[in-house]
Amino acid sequence: QKEVEQNSGPLSVPEGAIASLNCTYSDRGSQSFFWYRQYSGKSPELIMFIYSNGDKEDGRFTAQLNKASQYVSLLIRDSQPSDSATYLCAVRPGANSKLTFGKGITLSVRP
Amino acid sequence: GAGVSQTPSNKVTEKGKYVELRCDPISGHTALYWYRQSLGQGPEFLIYFQGTGAADDSGLPNDRFFAVRPEGSVSTLKIQRTERGDSAVYLCASSWGLTDTQYFGPGTRLTVL
Repeated sequence: QKEVEQNSGPLSVPEGAIASLNCTYSDRGSQSFFWYRQYSGKSPELIMFIYSNGDKEDGRFTAQLNKASQYVSLLIRDSQPSDSATYLCAVRPGANSKLTFGKGITLSVRP
Repeated sequence: GAGVSQTPSNKVTEKGKYVELRCDPISGHTALYWYRQSLGQGPEFLIYFQGTGAADDSGLPNDRFFAVRPEGSVSTLKIQRTERGDSAVYLCASSWGLTDTQYFGPGTRLTVL
């Protein structure tokens, strides 16, 4: 089993819809969880981070964390064509600084 | 302010050659990270520095890869005897401290012919 799995995708949603991106991780000791957005040919850009169980909202983005289920998700409300990109889930273990990334989910928002 | 910068943006080399990739972190950031990203994959950790010392180099694939950060700022990733499998985008990131957000540079696309 890979350490960080993002198995669903590619994902296509119409403009204005909610996009739901999911990620599971294997290391129960993981402390910090990140969502990065990566446009084609560009470097990853941080969207959200979450440390505690529950929901964290920032504008149109909501990150959800469930440590018992080892599951983290990203919801994008009112999706826009400019949200079309690859979304990378990253996990940081408690005692180490390096990030472990999933392979990413490609989101396409149809006008 | 200025972000993380990486040079060169593209590097094409021949199998067996030596290459150096440079990363200039955000001013004041003490932690610096190197990742490698292959097509269709997420970034893969290589090494990170806290100050001048390599805190974790467990991601370096073999002894052909080496990185330095002699003055605690700019870092150089060095690859000896390059192989075609080394072709990837090499990303550098920096953060204030080891538990802070990592900001990525634009990457260096390495192509080994």
